[in-house]
Amino acid sequence: DSGVTQTPKHLITATGQRVTLRCSPRSGDLSVYWYQQSLDQGLQFLIQYYNGEERAKGNILERFSAQQFPDLHSELNLSSLELGDSALYFCASSVVGGETQYFGPGTRLLVL
Amino acid sequence: GDSVTQMEGPVTLSEEAFLTINCTYTATGYPSLFWYVQYPGEGLQLLLKATKADDKGSNKGFEATYRKETTSFHLEKGSVQVSDSAVYFCAQWGGGSNYKLTFGKGTLLTVNP
Repeated sequence: DSGVTQTPKHLITATGQRVTLRCSPRSGDLSVYWYQQSLDQGLQFLIQYYNGEERAKGNILERFSAQQFPDLHSELNLSSLELGDSALYFCASSVVGGETQYFGPGTRLLVL
Repeated sequence: GDSVTQMEGPVTLSEEAFLTINCTYTATGYPSLFWYVQYPGEGLQLLLKATKADDKGSNKGFEATYRKETTSFHLEKGSVQVSDSAVYFCAQWGGGSNYKLTFGKGTLLTVNP
């Protein structure tokens, strides 16, 4: 158990819908990272937040957004969903430096 | 840009065989290097890491040495077990303004009894 929690574990929705994925980092970790894992793209970094502020952006679509709240949990919002958004979404957390990241169990999203 | 290349899988071995999974990287600076493991249906777990040249990371019988001259970080284990069956990911973290992990595509290892 990494100490990072993600909810829900599974999510099934329809094209055009909007969903919110939630992540709680390890106690004491200030940074949260979001990754998408799909068969064709592999593991792709989406976005990082540090202590409530966006710090780095990766291959995140404009339809996707995230935020980190004062209690340090983070939410990833996915809107106007397409079939191709079906994937595993991982959250990771780290202390300030970000070098060693601890991953949550993931949320499996299926868009029908 | 920064990238990680690891050997294509799948890799199938018999129990107690020797394992090598090759990994090479390209980076503008001097990254830290990692191996993560993903067991079926689970998230990624940090297996080992090395932060500078010639460092050796080791854990659970696995080891990898940071080779700057060959830009490599190959994963090895002397005697694999069925329980080692998983997907293994090599990754680098560039530091500086690059706050993200860059992963290889993953190598599926299956160990048969």
